[in-house]
Amino acid sequence: DVQLVESGGAVVPPGGSLRLSCAASGFTFDNFAMHWVRQAPGKGLEWVSLISWDGGSTYSPDSMKGRFTISRDNNKHSLYLQMNSLRVEDTAVYYCVKDFGRIGYYSYMDVWGKGTTVTVSS
Amino acid sequence: DIQMTQSPSSLSASVGDRVTITCRASQTVSTSLNWFQQKPGKVPNLLISGASTLQSGVPSRFGGSGSGTDFTLTISSLQPEDSATYYCQQSYSSPFTFGPGTKLDVK
Repeated sequence: DVQLVESGGAVVPPGGSLRLSCAASGFTFDNFAMHWVRQAPGKGLEWVSLISWDGGSTYSPDSMKGRFTISRDNNKHSLYLQMNSLRVEDTAVYYCVKDFGRIGYYSYMDVWGKGTTVTVSS
Repeated sequence: DIQMTQSPSSLSASVGDRVTITCRASQTVSTSLNWFQQKPGKVPNLLISGASTLQSGVPSRFGGSGSGTDFTLTISSLQPEDSATYYCQQSYSSPFTFGPGTKLDVK
C-alpha cells in the first residue's frame, strides 16, 4: 500500500526552526513530485510547497519563500520541509502529499499522509 | 496568483437531494482543477481530477464539470456520508491555491 508518514511536528517558540520529514513507501518515490499542504486549526487547506521528482524544481507561495525550504532524498524515499523564522500563524497540521505526476503542474494530489502538528507559541 | 472562490460557503440539504457547489478561478486554469472531500478529523480525499475525472472508488453520484474559470461539483443524490467540507484546488500555476471550502450538512 502507498503510505506517507510525517514526523517532526512540535511546539516551538516564535522565531524558532523546525524540520519536518515524510517517509514514503509502497511506490517508486523518485517517479513523483511531492507537496506539503497545511491546515490551521478550524481553517481550510493551504498549499505550502512543491518539489519535482528529481528535486530540480521547487515552488512555494511568496509568503513562505525564504522561510520554508522543501527538499527530498530519493535514496531514502523521504521528503523534508525546513521551516525557519516560525510565526504564530504557521501553527497547523502539515500534510505530506504525493502528486500523480513528475512535476506537479496540470496534475493532482492523490495520496495524503495523516499529518504532523506544528504549534508555534511562546 | 490565481484566487479561488467557492459558493456557497455552507449549505444544508436532505438525503436524496441534488447538490451543486461552484468554484471560480480569478483567471483561467484550463481543466487543471481538482476537488477534495474532507470529513471532520480526517485527511482530505481526492474526488475528481482534471475538472471531471472521477477517481477510482468514488461513488458515481459525484460529478465534476467546467473549464477555464468556472467549475461545478455535483452530487446527484445526497447520502448521509456526504457530510463534509469540499475544496477545489487549481494545479495550473504556482501557487497551487485551494478554494476556501464549502461545508455540506446532510439533514
